Parts: sequence; structure tokens; C-alpha cells
Amino acid sequence: DAGITQSPRYKITETGRQVTLMCHQTWSHSYMFWYRQDLGHGLRLIYYSAAADITDKGEVPDGYVVSRSKTENFPLTLESATRSQTSVYFCASSEASGASSYNEQFFGPGTRLTVL
Amino acid sequence: QKEVEQNSGPLSVPEGAIASLNCTYSDRGSQSFFWYRQYSGKSPELIMSIYSNGDKEDGRFTAQLNKASQYVSLLIRDSQPSDSATYLCAARHPNAGNNRKLIWGLGTSLAVNP
Repeated sequence: DAGITQSPRYKITETGRQVTLMCHQTWSHSYMFWYRQDLGHGLRLIYYSAAADITDKGEVPDGYVVSRSKTENFPLTLESATRSQTSVYFCASSEASGASSYNEQFFGPGTRLTVL
Repeated sequence: QKEVEQNSGPLSVPEGAIASLNCTYSDRGSQSFFWYRQYSGKSPELIMSIYSNGDKEDGRFTAQLNKASQYVSLLIRDSQPSDSATYLCAARHPNAGNNRKLIWGLGTSLAVNP
């Protein structure tokens, strides 16, 4: 049982190129999230999804696009990569449950992206 | 602006001591709180979650929540060098609706010295 996986783990690209980061979870969690983590800024939410075909913006969505056609997959696309998008990207998931649940988020291993 | 504040550290403790990590939050409506551990170059890993006032224990870890004072703490007993990591505090506000978003602190770096 892989849990939540991300690919690629490392990516180097050039300014202006399109890049897609993949996230796959095997828990059938309803919620999925994309974060970026940078020194001095901590974890910042890019986009999240409550279910297939339901997505919404987070704190720093500009320059990113997401889709979620299947519950288990939540790809993140940088349409035209910029140097400021050099970062570590984490995908996370959380199950949909009642108000009494803690609604913990579980993280994938991350993708380290460098934009030259 | 909802915020979660942590001392960035580094917090340095000797092996076998108790490490105390603190977190304060600004939104009195926050109800669920989470502690994550993040080793350098790795992803955050959930350690504890708490939403009731008081203490919650799990092995060497104890989470403490005081809603009146708006702080959450994590105690690590018998600290080991393997506990050396950055500890992230996060809070969820109930009025976040069904989006399950968390508000994250910047983390406290802990170093346990042999």
C-alpha cells in the first residue's frame, strides 16, 4: 500500500516551460492539497480539492493550474514556469468525515523543482 | 488574519531531557490542532492531533491544549538524537467549512545533543 506518491521526485526545467507534477493516493481520501515550501515562508497552500471535479484556490494560486478528474489523482501544472516557482512541492490528502474528526492531512514525499 | 506562531529556535536539549515546543494561535475559534515532524529534506509527518483542552499522550509525546490562553504545546520525553527535526504546528478553524484547510506555523527546529 503506497499511500500517497508524487512524481517526479526531482525536476529541473527552464523558464517558460510547462511542467506537471503528479500526485496519486490510494486511500480514497476526498480531500487533496498542493503546498509549496520555501525557507522563511513555511507551507503555503496553492490549490485544494474537496472531491473529483471540485477544486479551489489556496493562498498562492497564481501561475498554477490543477485538475481532478479522478479521486486518486491531483496533478499540478505550472503553465509557464518562472524562477520564483523554484521550490519543494508537497501533495497531501485528508479524508472527508464528520465534525468530530481531526481531519489530519497526510503528505506525499515531495517534488523538488528547480526552474533555471 | 488568522495566524499560528512558533519560535523558530533552534531549541537545543540534551539527550534524555524533555523538549517543550510551543505554539500560539490568534483565532479563538480554532478547534483542531496538529503537530507534524519534518526531517531535513523530507515531508511533514503527523505526530499528534488534539482538539480538547488538556493533555493527550502518545508514547513519548504529549500534546497540551489551552484554549483560554490560545496555545498548544508538544512535550517530548526522553529526547533522542533521532528527534532532531523541525516541528510544525497547524490549526483548523471550524468555520473553514468543508475545505479542511489548515493554518501553518513556520516551525521550530529541535536539536537533541548526545
